[in-house]
Amino acid sequence: LAKTTQPISMDSYEGQEVNITCSHNNIATNDYITWYQQFPSQGPRFIIQGYKTKVTNEVASLFIPADRKSSTLSLPRVSLSDTAVYYCLVGVVNTGGFKTIFGAGTRLFVKA
Amino acid sequence: NAGVTQTPKFRILKIGQSMTLQCTQDMNHNYMYWYRQDPGMGLKLIYYSVGAGITDKGEVPNGYNVSRSTTEDFPLRLELAAPSQTSVYFCASSLDGSTNPTQYFGPGTRLLVL
Repeated sequence: LAKTTQPISMDSYEGQEVNITCSHNNIATNDYITWYQQFPSQGPRFIIQGYKTKVTNEVASLFIPADRKSSTLSLPRVSLSDTAVYYCLVGVVNTGGFKTIFGAGTRLFVKA
Repeated sequence: NAGVTQTPKFRILKIGQSMTLQCTQDMNHNYMYWYRQDPGMGLKLIYYSVGAGITDKGEVPNGYNVSRSTTEDFPLRLELAAPSQTSVYFCASSLDGSTNPTQYFGPGTRLLVL
């Protein structure tokens, strides 16, 4: 199982760029890396997914080095509404029984 | 397109009672999942299904059962409820588990066992 390690919490100010790094040293060849965002009393929401190099969408960028043993979620110009828990998820699910694991996540607190 | 829906939103159970948490998705996804989330913690996988008629255990399956008779529905059954099962339960679905593994979550069911 590809276990992930993230910082427990991070603080930032509005307008800053926030980078959250996730370590996944035993990532498998066919594993994808996915990041989710969770607000209190809600289910996690998909942010971005990648396999290698860099992926960018309208809300975030995901940087994955060549060895894929870590990944960095980048949130440009955060606002107060970005205060949430961010989860890094690595793995695939198939009939062979491989299971995705959510770690404890990173609590991001954005201050005014 | 409602996505993933869960019922009930909140339930209080007495120790030893049983109940079924309902989960339905209308996205024609093959994979479905049940997670539990304890206060301040991450999500733990209880059971998952890769298609109708196929289910498998996750990290914390003890005390729960599931079935998947249709693509749309994936109910979670709690037998003999215990205080340790007090948690928020999330159902999720994904198109598949490899090339399209993005999971879409329901709003959750908050369960209190007293």
